[in-house]
Amino acid sequence: QQQVKQSPQSLIVQKGGISIINCAYENTAFDYFPWYQQFPGKGPALLIAIRPDVSEKKEGRFTISFNKSAKQFSLHIMDSQPGDSATYFCAATRDTGRRALTFGSGTRLQVQP
Amino acid sequence: EAGVVQSPRYKIIEKKQPVAFWCNPISGHNTLYWYRQNLGQGPELLIRYENEEAVDDSQLPKDRFSAERLKGVDSTLKIQPAELGDSAVYLCASSLETANSPLHFGNGTRLTVT
Repeated sequence: QQQVKQSPQSLIVQKGGISIINCAYENTAFDYFPWYQQFPGKGPALLIAIRPDVSEKKEGRFTISFNKSAKQFSLHIMDSQPGDSATYFCAATRDTGRRALTFGSGTRLQVQP
Repeated sequence: EAGVVQSPRYKIIEKKQPVAFWCNPISGHNTLYWYRQNLGQGPELLIRYENEEAVDDSQLPKDRFSAERLKGVDSTLKIQPAELGDSAVYLCASSLETANSPLHFGNGTRLTVT
């Protein structure tokens, strides 16, 4: 059962553009929603995370938007750079993160110079 | 701080052979995870430890997979016998046992079963 659905599967953005990746979840018990960034040959690394008591969180060029009623959240990368080219995974968990993460299927982002 | 260390980085074996992966978590992290990542997919949980206790192993194929975490530090994941479908990257992660503590992943072991 795929509890976290992620789209698009791949994304090509021009340098300086905005990258947007979307995720939808099914389990209303989820209460923690992180995004991970993975470069080839490396393990995923935490990028930014949000809890459902806020609708938006911003850290530098990265912003999470959260819509609790729609059970959707998205990652926005402003002023995308070639160094942002990586695979991005949304994830979700419950019990304030004390349970294992359920990951989306990933979005491969390519930022063209 | 040193990150999560996994070995080996790559392993190629023939089907029906055994294989083992090793993980050394970040010092002080009492929660340890093994995830499997198939090509082009997100990581999927195999097992989660809190200290030396396996608290979530519901997704571990117990007929051929086993894991241990002796003394609540290092962990080993074993497959015996391996099947072609086990080819994947096996990721180890660790975290503190506090609310919303981020997972720190190792670089994984890429297993190819021929």
